Amino acid sequence: DVQMTQSPSSLSASVGDRVTITCRASQGIKNYLTWVQQKAGKAPKSLIYTASTLHSGVPSRFSGSGSGTDFTLTISSLQPEDFATYYCQQYNTYPPTFGAGTKVEIK
Amino acid sequence: QVQLVESGGGVVQPGGSLRLSCEAAGFIFSDYGMHWVRQAPGEGLEWVTFIRYDGTFEDYTDSVKGRFTISRDNSKNTLSLQMDGLRAEDTAVYFCAKDLEWKSDGFSFDSWGQGTLVTVSS
Repeated sequence: DVQMTQSPSSLSASVGDRVTITCRASQGIKNYLTWVQQKAGKAPKSLIYTASTLHSGVPSRFSGSGSGTDFTLTISSLQPEDFATYYCQQYNTYPPTFGAGTKVEIK
Repeated sequence: QVQLVESGGGVVQPGGSLRLSCEAAGFIFSDYGMHWVRQAPGEGLEWVTFIRYDGTFEDYTDSVKGRFTISRDNSKNTLSLQMDGLRAEDTAVYFCAKDLEWKSDGFSFDSWGQGTLVTVSS
């Protein structure tokens, strides 16, 4: 299985901060990567697919980049509603696999 | 607007069975593959199983093969997961999720249900 490694596992940030989360695949996955947001006790919400394409309705402060093995999710100006856990997921190679998550907490 | 509503979770003893359902609305259900993804308490997300839009192909993560069966009824816009031989390690919130791509085995997700909790305990 393709292992997805996220860093950091958690971070503290303030409203307005620029936040970057990284995700590394154990083998090349082209750009078949998604980012998912999950707030505590809630359903996941898909943010980005094909590494950089925003799902409909996702604010433009979210952006994704990368290809091959290294990917990033950037929140340009953190908002109160962005405090959540973020997961990357690859779908290039069966079975689809998720990273362990990055928890974004209020500083 | 896509809506996915799961039901059927509960408490079951090890070795027991449970059937989960997911009612879909807001999209052409018969045009999209569907998945179940689970999340154990305090843990991350784990893909469990997939069924093709027309029901002709299904696949499972290794840990549930031979115990879980996914199915769908396109006439009723309903996805199901029959879980037999349940183990403590199957305890999790189970989410149904819609595949991103039209009539494709894409293994990415664009919409999720709210989840239903399955607890396996004696």
